[in-house]
Amino acid sequence: KNQVEQSPQSLIILEGKNCTLQCNYTVSPFSNLRWYKQDTGRGPVSLTIMTFSENTKSNGRYTATLDADTKQSSLHITASQLSDSASYICVVSGVYDYKLSFGAGTTVTVRA
Amino acid sequence: DVKVTQSSRYLVKRTGEKVFLECVQDMDHENMFWYRQDPGLGLRLIYFSYDVKMKEKGDIPEGYSVSREKKERFSLILESASTNQTSMYLCASSPEESTYRGLPTDTQYFGPGTRLTVL
Repeated sequence: KNQVEQSPQSLIILEGKNCTLQCNYTVSPFSNLRWYKQDTGRGPVSLTIMTFSENTKSNGRYTATLDADTKQSSLHITASQLSDSASYICVVSGVYDYKLSFGAGTTVTVRA
Repeated sequence: DVKVTQSSRYLVKRTGEKVFLECVQDMDHENMFWYRQDPGLGLRLIYFSYDVKMKEKGDIPEGYSVSREKKERFSLILESASTNQTSMYLCASSPEESTYRGLPTDTQYFGPGTRLTVL
């Protein structure tokens, strides 16, 4: 069973609107959580990273939050642009486990 | 900027063929990884290497092998391609200081991917 679940699977938003993506994980003990952006035809690129003690991290119009107690994270995109159209992947690291656990991703489509 | 390149963006092969996927990184990273990415499943680790000539199995090594003769190059080999190996293959690298006991725990830098179709 995948230890990282993302929702929704996909969403469509109008340019200029905001949206929020969700990530729930069961990886324990937890080390850090990353959000990656993957443009079509390209490899994933890291957007943010949060450790156990952090509950929010911003990167421009992207803001990630983390609740380590409930094992939930969200990625909020503000004032979306056409270039935000991509797949967003939640990746969780365990403390003693070499494996990174990847969510299946949320595909965001921004329309003019 | 870290640059990870993969030899082909698109590849079409026939069942039973031997397939080589090449990955090169230019940042002197110790760790290199091969993943496959399938819709609804996320990235799954096939093999990784934390040093030249060293390799470790990931979650789904069956049907694959790897070779790392030089630090900058990590090759994925499909000895006899099958249709269920049709997928997007992603290579990644990371520096040693991002690891724990030689195993990856931190940021990985990805190549653009190779979309392999096996007919």
